[in-house]
Amino acid sequence: NAGVMQNPRHLVRRRGQEARLRCSPMKGHSHVYWYRQLPEEGLKFMVYLQKENIIDESGMPKERFSAEFPKEGPSILRIQQVVRGDSAAYFCASSPNSPFTEAFFGQGTRLTVV
Amino acid sequence: QKEVEQDPGPLSVPEGAIVSLNCTYSNSAFQYFMWYRQYSRKGPELLMYTYSSGNKEDGRFTAQVDKSSKYISLFIRDSQPSDSATYLCAILTQGGSEKLVFGKGTKLTVNP
Repeated sequence: NAGVMQNPRHLVRRRGQEARLRCSPMKGHSHVYWYRQLPEEGLKFMVYLQKENIIDESGMPKERFSAEFPKEGPSILRIQQVVRGDSAAYFCASSPNSPFTEAFFGQGTRLTVV
Repeated sequence: QKEVEQDPGPLSVPEGAIVSLNCTYSNSAFQYFMWYRQYSRKGPELLMYTYSSGNKEDGRFTAQVDKSSKYISLFIRDSQPSDSATYLCAILTQGGSEKLVFGKGTKLTVNP
């Protein structure tokens, strides 16, 4: 059973471009969480999704950021019109059910905006 | 007040030392407390979690929760150079959607 797969591992975007980050949860996991880790900062919650539903997006910036977890395929975190401040490591975690105690994190996508 | 605060470190110890990592939290309703280990440029890895108060032991690692003082600790016995990593405490918020709230992490270096 493969772990949580995130791709790409590294992504470089110019200011104003779009960034798409993908997360394939572990087999049998229907809960996906996205976190952002800025340099010298802890992990900050962004969004919690179940298949085809956004459960909690209270940590998502109001503009430019969106997330989805379709019935088929990976979860996508999309950042439109990226700015330098979006440079960070983005981690996805998946769990089979509640509570979060059985969640596993992916290796992250490191986004650099130049 | 932040929901969870963690001693910032960094912490440097000799091999074989006992390491104590600590966090405080603000809401007495929290029930699940986690410790994650994160190696450089890797994703966080769950070490152990405790429910409510008390101790939990797993090999050289012991997690402890003191609900009266809202204090959580991770002890590492006989520390090894391979334990060098950043350690993150986290609490699981409930009531509504569940999510983990993390401390900023303590970077630990174990010197051979």
